[in-house]
Amino acid sequence: QVQLVESGGGLVKPGGSLKLSCAASGFSFGDYYMCWIRQAPGKGLEWVSYISGSSDFTNYADSVKGRFTVSRDNAKNSLYLQMTSLRAEDTAVYYCTRDPENDYWGQGTLVTVSS
Amino acid sequence: FVLTQPHSVSESPGKTVTISCTRSSGNIAGHHVQWYQQRPGSSPTTVIYEDDQRPSGVPDRFSGSIDSSSNSASLTISGLRAEDEADYYCQSYHSSKQIFGGGTKLTVL
Repeated sequence: QVQLVESGGGLVKPGGSLKLSCAASGFSFGDYYMCWIRQAPGKGLEWVSYISGSSDFTNYADSVKGRFTVSRDNAKNSLYLQMTSLRAEDTAVYYCTRDPENDYWGQGTLVTVSS
Repeated sequence: FVLTQPHSVSESPGKTVTISCTRSSGNIAGHHVQWYQQRPGSSPTTVIYEDDQRPSGVPDRFSGSIDSSSNSASLTISGLRAEDEADYYCQSYHSSKQIFGGGTKLTVL
């Protein structure tokens, strides 16, 4: 069965960096676009980024463009999100999802940006 | 553009409830709409995809529709059960980016 397992979250100071990972299993990973979606505490869902199966195409929400970088390693069935220049408003649970249409979600990993 | 949902709705068990999702600009029918259910403490799951399609395992009490005249999508849940109490989010696309509605908290009284 399809499984997505995020890791790498934690507490980081404003201006710091963090790299999230998502381990995928149960499907042909390289055949699918993948996304990152986040949810601030007590708030709604916000799409962050997507990457195509071959890494040819990426896209970002305006709120993270220039600070976050999405990447993948199809040999390792893994998706990544490199986050830099982190701000308090980046505090959220970060989910990886399978595209199209987010048919599978991971359990999420919490990123807290605070001094 | 934005997708606007009511903040909350409530209804009694066994009844039917409809949650709306109104697109502020652009044609609602121009891009597929998905609906996600999120129970407290859990990740979202898809209950409707491509406007009106139900994933396997989602009961047929859940249905989706599009209304071009109001430029909105709707999620209808019939025969409400206590387990349907959750937050529901609509999602669509604009300029290759995903956009989510603000979410609707469904309370089953």
